[in-house]
Amino acid sequence: DVQMTQSPPTLSASVGDEITITCRASQSIGIWVAWYQQRPGKAPKFLIYKASTLESGVPSRFSGSGSGTDFTLTISSLQPEDFATYYCQQYNNYPRTFGQGTTVEIK
Amino acid sequence: QVQLQESGPGLVKPSETLSLTCSVAGGSITDSISSSYWNWVRQPPGKGLEWIGSISYSGNTRDNPALRGRVTLSSDTSKNQFFLRLSSMTATDTAVYYCARVSTNGGFDSWGQGALVTVSS
Repeated sequence: DVQMTQSPPTLSASVGDEITITCRASQSIGIWVAWYQQRPGKAPKFLIYKASTLESGVPSRFSGSGSGTDFTLTISSLQPEDFATYYCQQYNNYPRTFGQGTTVEIK
Repeated sequence: QVQLQESGPGLVKPSETLSLTCSVAGGSITDSISSSYWNWVRQPPGKGLEWIGSISYSGNTRDNPALRGRVTLSSDTSKNQFFLRLSSMTATDTAVYYCARVSTNGGFDSWGQGALVTVSS
C-alpha cells in the first residue's frame, strides 16, 4: 500500500495567516493526489485534485502543488471557516489511501 | 449535483454482518459518460479516513485487502442504490461509514452525510 504521511499533525494559526500542509507518499504517485477539508461532525469536502487543480467553487486562497512523492496544500489567508482538519489522498494505486490528517486550530 | 444518502442499522452485534445502503439522487450509478465509481469510506471516532471499496458504473468491484475478504459490494440499478456488506464485525469496525462518488477527476467529489455504526453486544 502507498503510505501517505502528513505533517504537521496539528497547526496553530491566526486568521489571515498563510499556512502550508505537507503530504509525502511512500512511493512515486505522479500527480494523483486529492485534498479534503473536514469540519467536526461533517463529511469531508473535496478541495483539490490532480495535486493542484481546484474543484469548482473552492476559494482561490486554497492551492496545491507537488508531484512524485511530495505534495503541499497552502491556504494563503486563513478565514474563520478554514479551521478544520485536512486530508491528502492518493489515487494512483489501489487501495486508495489517505494521510492521517492535519488539524488547523486557532492560535 | 449528485446526492448520496447512507442508511442502515446504527448498532451491530459482534460477529454479525453489517449491511448498509447508499441511495443516489441526481445521477445514475450506471452512467458510463461520467465513469463514476461508487465507494465506501469509513472513519473510526476521532481517527482518519479508510477506503473500504468501490463498485464501478459497470459493476466491477474492488476492496481494501486490509479488510481480509470481509467486504461484499453490490448494486441495484433499478433503485439507483449500491450496498456494502461487512462480515464478522468487531469493536474495531465501529465507525462513521460514508458512501462517496469518484468521477472523472479521480477524487471523492460527492459524499453522503455518514452513518455511525457501533459494534456492541
